[in-house]
Amino acid sequence: RKEVEQDPGPFNVPEGATVAFNCTYSNSASQSFFWYRQDCRKEPKLLMSVYSSGNEDGRFTAQLNRASQYISLLIRDSKLSDSATYLCVVVRSARQLTFGSGTQLTVLP
Amino acid sequence: DGGITQSPKYLFRKEGQNVTLSCEQNLNHDAMYWYRQDPGQGLRLIYYSQIVNDFQKGDIAEGYSVSREKKESFPLTVTSAQKNPTAFYLCASSLSGGPSYNEQFFGPGTRLTVL
Repeated sequence: RKEVEQDPGPFNVPEGATVAFNCTYSNSASQSFFWYRQDCRKEPKLLMSVYSSGNEDGRFTAQLNRASQYISLLIRDSKLSDSATYLCVVVRSARQLTFGSGTQLTVLP
Repeated sequence: DGGITQSPKYLFRKEGQNVTLSCEQNLNHDAMYWYRQDPGQGLRLIYYSQIVNDFQKGDIAEGYSVSREKKESFPLTVTSAQKNPTAFYLCASSLSGGPSYNEQFFGPGTRLTVL
């Protein structure tokens, strides 16, 4: 079983739609969780951290469920510019991150 | 402007040749990392360095070597022993490699193709 698993998609949604991605992790001792965004053929960039209490950044909401060992990302009112691959990241230690394989999102006009 | 640079952006190599990928940062970060990304897959850690003159193997270090002689620089050599070197290589840095997590910032990457 992979340490971090994501649905690869692709998710094709119309502009304005709400879309949600999930990510499961296997190591219950994982410390921190993040969502990164990666545009086509570019480097990943931090989108947001994920906390048990849930956190929101504009149209983006991230949630962590430690009991079930999954994290989620919700995007409301999708924009064309949201089209990218979203990588779930689980931190095993300060020096070692485990990346999911990514979920590809395409927002259609 | 502060940031991480990688060169070259594209690199072609013949089988059996060693090649060195450059990574430089001017963020004054202590920790640096090398990842490899294959199509449809997540990033996998090759090597990391928490401080000058020290580095540790990651999950897939076989066939690779690194050095950390200066804080700003962390070059990666892909040796002929690496059986499947064609991939997208990403360098990252973070403020420190200490016990608590610091955000990792990525360079633009180098696409290596072995012919």
